[in-house]
Amino acid sequence: NAGVTQTPKFQVLKTGQSMTLQCAQDMNHEYMSWYRQDPGMGLRLIHYSVGAGITDQGEVPNGYNVSRSTTEDFPLRLLSAAPSQTSVYFCASRVGGTGELFFGEGSRLTVL
Amino acid sequence: KNQVEQSPQSLIILEGKNCTLQCNYTVSPFSNLRWYKQDTGRGPVSLTIMTFSENTKSNGRYTATLDADTKQSSLHITASQLSDSASYICVVIQAGTALIFGKGTTLSVSS
Repeated sequence: NAGVTQTPKFQVLKTGQSMTLQCAQDMNHEYMSWYRQDPGMGLRLIHYSVGAGITDQGEVPNGYNVSRSTTEDFPLRLLSAAPSQTSVYFCASRVGGTGELFFGEGSRLTVL
Repeated sequence: KNQVEQSPQSLIILEGKNCTLQCNYTVSPFSNLRWYKQDTGRGPVSLTIMTFSENTKSNGRYTATLDADTKQSSLHITASQLSDSASYICVVIQAGTALIFGKGTTLSVSS
Protein backbone atom coordinates (compact mmCIF):
# COMPACT_ATOMS: atom_id res chain seq x y z
CA ASN A 1 0.00 0.00 0.00
CA ALA A 2 1.95 3.03 -1.28
CA GLY A 3 -0.42 5.74 0.05
CA VAL A 4 0.13 9.09 -1.68
CA THR A 5 2.93 9.22 -4.24
CA GLN A 6 4.33 12.47 -5.62
CA THR A 7 6.77 12.98 -8.46
CA PRO A 8 9.22 14.51 -8.99
CA LYS A 9 10.80 15.07 -5.56
CA PHE A 10 13.00 17.89 -6.83
CA GLN A 11 12.69 20.17 -9.85
CA VAL A 12 14.45 23.30 -11.06
CA LEU A 13 12.69 25.47 -13.63
CA LYS A 14 13.45 28.68 -15.42
CA THR A 15 10.96 31.53 -15.30
CA GLY A 16 8.25 31.01 -17.89
CA GLN A 17 8.61 27.25 -18.18
CA SER A 18 5.68 24.97 -17.54
CA MET A 19 5.58 21.65 -15.73
CA THR A 20 3.28 19.15 -14.06
CA LEU A 21 3.61 17.76 -10.55
CA GLN A 22 2.14 14.30 -10.41
CA CYS A 23 0.12 12.90 -7.50
CA ALA A 24 -1.39 9.44 -7.19
CA GLN A 25 -3.13 7.68 -4.29
CA ASP A 26 -4.12 4.04 -3.94
CA MET A 27 -6.52 4.36 -0.99
CA ASN A 28 -9.63 5.10 -3.05
CA HIS A 29 -10.02 8.48 -1.36
CA GLU A 30 -12.55 10.84 -2.85
CA TYR A 31 -10.92 14.02 -1.59
CA MET A 32 -7.53 15.14 -2.91
CA SER A 33 -5.74 18.44 -2.50
CA TRP A 34 -2.55 20.35 -3.23
CA TYR A 35 -0.76 22.57 -0.73
CA ARG A 36 2.32 24.71 -0.86
CA GLN A 37 4.52 25.20 2.19
CA ASP A 38 6.71 28.25 2.57
CA PRO A 39 8.86 29.26 5.57
CA GLY A 40 6.77 31.12 8.13
CA MET A 41 3.56 30.67 6.11
CA GLY A 42 2.48 27.16 6.96
CA LEU A 43 0.53 24.98 4.55
CA ARG A 44 -1.71 26.84 2.13
CA LEU A 45 -4.37 25.20 -0.03
CA ILE A 46 -3.93 25.65 -3.79
CA HIS A 47 -6.66 23.47 -5.33
CA TYR A 48 -8.77 20.57 -4.20
CA SER A 49 -11.09 17.92 -5.61
CA VAL A 50 -13.99 16.08 -3.96
CA GLY A 51 -14.19 13.44 -6.67
CA ALA A 52 -13.40 12.61 -10.28
CA GLY A 53 -14.41 15.44 -12.58
CA ILE A 54 -14.82 17.96 -9.73
CA THR A 55 -12.18 20.53 -8.79
CA ASP A 56 -12.23 23.84 -6.95
CA GLN A 57 -9.88 26.62 -5.95
CA GLY A 58 -8.27 26.99 -2.59
CA GLU A 59 -6.56 29.92 -0.92
CA VAL A 60 -3.74 30.48 -3.45
CA PRO A 61 -4.84 29.14 -6.87
CA ASN A 62 -3.32 31.74 -9.22
CA GLY A 63 -0.75 30.31 -11.64
CA TYR A 64 -1.85 26.71 -11.11
CA ASN A 65 -4.26 24.37 -12.88
CA VAL A 66 -5.61 20.98 -11.85
CA SER A 67 -7.76 18.23 -13.29
CA ARG A 68 -9.23 15.03 -11.86
CA SER A 69 -10.01 12.48 -14.53
CA THR A 70 -9.70 9.45 -12.22
CA THR A 71 -10.10 8.84 -8.50
CA GLU A 72 -6.40 7.98 -8.21
CA ASP A 73 -4.66 10.89 -9.94
CA PHE A 74 -4.61 14.62 -9.27
CA PRO A 75 -1.87 16.44 -11.22
CA LEU A 76 -0.92 20.06 -10.56
CA ARG A 77 0.15 22.14 -13.55
CA LEU A 78 2.27 25.27 -13.43
CA LEU A 79 1.42 27.20 -16.57
CA SER A 80 4.26 29.74 -16.65
CA ALA A 81 6.58 29.35 -13.67
CA ALA A 82 7.53 32.41 -11.64
CA PRO A 83 10.14 32.78 -8.86
CA SER A 84 7.25 33.32 -6.40
CA GLN A 85 6.26 29.70 -7.04
CA THR A 86 9.49 28.43 -5.50
CA SER A 87 8.16 26.27 -2.67
CA VAL A 88 7.60 22.77 -1.38
CA TYR A 89 4.39 21.26 -2.73
CA PHE A 90 2.39 18.59 -0.94
CA CYS A 91 -0.41 16.46 -2.28
CA ALA A 92 -2.85 15.01 0.25
CA SER A 93 -5.91 12.81 0.22
CA ARG A 94 -8.63 11.77 2.67
CA VAL A 95 -11.81 9.76 2.72
CA GLY A 96 -13.96 12.84 2.99
CA GLY A 97 -15.59 15.01 5.60
CA THR A 98 -13.29 15.24 8.60
CA GLY A 99 -11.10 12.27 7.78
CA GLU A 100 -7.36 12.18 8.37
CA LEU A 101 -5.24 13.79 5.67
CA PHE A 102 -2.58 11.53 4.16
CA PHE A 103 0.28 13.52 2.66
CA GLY A 104 2.81 12.67 0.02
CA GLU A 105 6.52 13.19 0.64
CA GLY A 106 6.56 16.56 -1.09
CA SER A 107 8.00 18.07 -4.26
CA ARG A 108 10.61 20.80 -3.87
CA LEU A 109 10.39 23.26 -6.74
CA THR A 110 12.89 26.02 -7.47
CA VAL A 111 12.13 28.64 -10.13
CA LEU A 112 15.12 30.66 -11.30
CA LYS B 1 -12.00 35.37 10.82
CA ASN B 2 -11.16 31.68 11.24
CA GLN B 3 -7.63 31.42 12.55
CA VAL B 4 -5.34 28.93 14.25
CA GLU B 5 -2.43 30.33 16.25
CA GLN B 6 0.38 28.12 17.54
CA SER B 7 2.97 28.92 20.15
CA PRO B 8 5.82 28.97 20.59
CA GLN B 9 7.06 29.34 17.02
CA SER B 10 10.14 27.29 17.91
CA LEU B 11 11.45 25.46 20.93
CA ILE B 12 14.73 23.83 21.94
CA ILE B 13 14.81 21.29 24.76
CA LEU B 14 17.22 18.71 26.12
CA GLU B 15 16.61 15.04 25.50
CA GLY B 16 14.54 13.50 28.27
CA LYS B 17 12.73 16.74 29.16
CA ASN B 18 9.02 17.37 28.74
CA CYS B 19 7.44 20.14 26.71
CA THR B 20 4.03 21.53 25.83
CA LEU B 21 2.94 23.07 22.55
CA GLN B 22 -0.07 25.36 22.37
CA CYS B 23 -2.80 25.85 19.78
CA ASN B 24 -5.47 28.56 20.06
CA TYR B 25 -8.23 28.80 17.50
CA THR B 26 -11.15 31.01 16.55
CA VAL B 27 -12.71 28.56 14.08
CA SER B 28 -16.47 28.29 14.14
CA PRO B 29 -18.40 26.10 13.89
CA PHE B 30 -15.90 23.61 15.28
CA SER B 31 -15.87 19.97 14.19
CA ASN B 32 -12.58 18.55 15.41
CA LEU B 33 -8.87 19.24 15.79
CA ARG B 34 -5.84 17.25 14.68
CA TRP B 35 -2.19 17.43 15.55
CA TYR B 36 0.27 16.48 12.80
CA LYS B 37 3.99 15.78 13.07
CA GLN B 38 6.20 16.75 10.15
CA ASP B 39 9.75 15.44 10.08
CA THR B 40 12.27 17.44 8.07
CA GLY B 41 11.88 16.74 4.36
CA ARG B 42 8.75 14.61 4.85
CA GLY B 43 5.01 15.09 4.65
CA PRO B 44 2.95 15.67 7.82
CA VAL B 45 1.56 12.62 9.62
CA SER B 46 -1.44 12.66 11.94
CA LEU B 47 -0.68 12.13 15.64
CA THR B 48 -4.12 12.44 17.13
CA ILE B 49 -7.63 13.78 16.63
CA MET B 50 -9.66 15.63 19.25
CA THR B 51 -13.44 15.87 18.93
CA PHE B 52 -15.66 18.37 20.71
CA SER B 53 -16.46 16.02 23.58
CA GLU B 54 -12.89 14.85 24.24
CA ASN B 55 -10.68 16.56 26.82
CA THR B 56 -7.57 14.39 26.75
CA LYS B 57 -6.15 11.75 24.46
CA SER B 58 -2.80 9.99 24.58
CA ASN B 59 -0.70 8.40 21.85
CA GLY B 60 2.38 6.95 23.48
CA ARG B 61 4.47 9.82 24.86
CA TYR B 62 2.17 12.37 23.20
CA THR B 63 -0.87 13.69 25.10
CA ALA B 64 -3.28 16.12 23.50
CA THR B 65 -5.83 18.18 25.40
CA LEU B 66 -8.78 20.21 24.21
CA ASP B 67 -10.75 22.92 25.97
CA ALA B 68 -13.63 23.69 23.63
CA ASP B 69 -14.88 26.50 25.89
CA THR B 70 -11.66 28.51 25.68
CA LYS B 71 -10.85 27.18 22.19
CA GLN B 72 -7.43 25.95 23.20
CA SER B 73 -5.54 22.72 22.61
CA SER B 74 -2.15 21.58 23.77
CA LEU B 75 0.24 18.79 22.83
CA HIS B 76 2.40 17.53 25.67
CA ILE B 77 5.48 15.46 24.90
CA THR B 78 6.88 13.40 27.75
CA ALA B 79 10.50 12.26 28.08
CA SER B 80 11.50 13.75 24.74
CA GLN B 81 13.70 11.84 22.32
CA LEU B 82 15.90 13.03 19.47
CA SER B 83 13.33 11.62 17.05
CA ASP B 84 10.76 14.09 18.40
CA SER B 85 12.63 16.87 16.57
CA ALA B 86 10.07 17.99 13.99
CA SER B 87 7.42 20.56 13.22
CA TYR B 88 4.07 20.07 14.92
CA ILE B 89 1.05 21.42 13.08
CA CYS B 90 -2.37 22.05 14.60
CA VAL B 91 -5.27 21.74 12.15
CA VAL B 92 -8.83 22.69 13.06
CA ILE B 93 -11.61 21.21 10.99
CA GLN B 94 -14.55 23.53 10.54
CA ALA B 95 -17.96 21.88 10.32
CA GLY B 96 -18.55 21.59 6.60
CA THR B 97 -15.06 20.12 5.99
CA ALA B 98 -12.89 23.25 5.67
CA LEU B 99 -9.44 22.78 7.26
CA ILE B 100 -7.70 25.67 8.98
CA PHE B 101 -3.95 25.16 9.46
CA GLY B 102 -1.69 26.65 12.08
CA LYS B 103 1.82 27.65 11.03
CA GLY B 104 3.40 25.04 13.24
CA THR B 105 5.89 24.84 16.11
CA THR B 106 9.41 23.68 15.33
CA LEU B 107 10.79 21.49 18.11
CA SER B 108 14.49 20.70 18.39
CA VAL B 109 15.58 18.07 20.89
CA SER B 110 19.29 18.12 21.67
CA SER B 111 21.45 15.56 23.46
